[in-house]
Amino acid sequence: AQKITQTQPGMFVQEKEAVTLDCTYDTSDQSYGLFWYKQPSSGEMIFLIYQGSYDEQNATEGRYSLNFQKARKSANLVISASQLGDSAMYFCAMREDNTNAGKSTFGDGTTLTVKP
Amino acid sequence: DGGITQSPKYLFRKEGQNVTLSCEQNLNHDAMYWYRQDPGQGLRLIYYSQIVNDFQKGDIAEGYSVSREKKESFPLTVTSAQKNPTAFYLCASSVTGTHRDGYTFGSGTRLTVV
Repeated sequence: AQKITQTQPGMFVQEKEAVTLDCTYDTSDQSYGLFWYKQPSSGEMIFLIYQGSYDEQNATEGRYSLNFQKARKSANLVISASQLGDSAMYFCAMREDNTNAGKSTFGDGTTLTVKP
Repeated sequence: DGGITQSPKYLFRKEGQNVTLSCEQNLNHDAMYWYRQDPGQGLRLIYYSQIVNDFQKGDIAEGYSVSREKKESFPLTVTSAQKNPTAFYLCASSVTGTHRDGYTFGSGTRLTVV
């Protein structure tokens, strides 16, 4: 069974508007972390935001926020005030404490295109 | 500045040839990882290492080998046994192996079989 599911292969958003990228996950661990990474066309993966399973508040980092709904096993990324430079592929990932070396499992990604 | 350096950026391999991808970090991170990415897809784990002289197979280790003789270095060899090696390879590192630590990635190596 896939541990990380990103159901939106591609998304479009108008510049300056907000956009939500969906991510659901599957784990039986109580302690885990959820991450979002951005991959521009250059290929390098850039860490955006982290949410711990025991964190009571949703994580925020500048224009990025994570809408964490633990009961639904959902960790959606919200990008506010989209910019042209936000056009990239976005990956949701999970690390479980119970696995060896805290390996990360990645979703298949969502390609975001910001329109001017 | 601290970071991860992957080299080369582009690599071409002939059929039946072994090639080695370099990954060096100066972040003093304990854990290092190799991932493979095929076009339009997510990352799949090849090998990972938590400490020097120790490493474990990931989900798609067949046809690959690694070594971890130094904390800073985690080279990946793509052997002739890997039948479909054309892909983008990403090296990553983290402070520890717990869930709280995000990865720092290198800029990747794009391998093509010719």
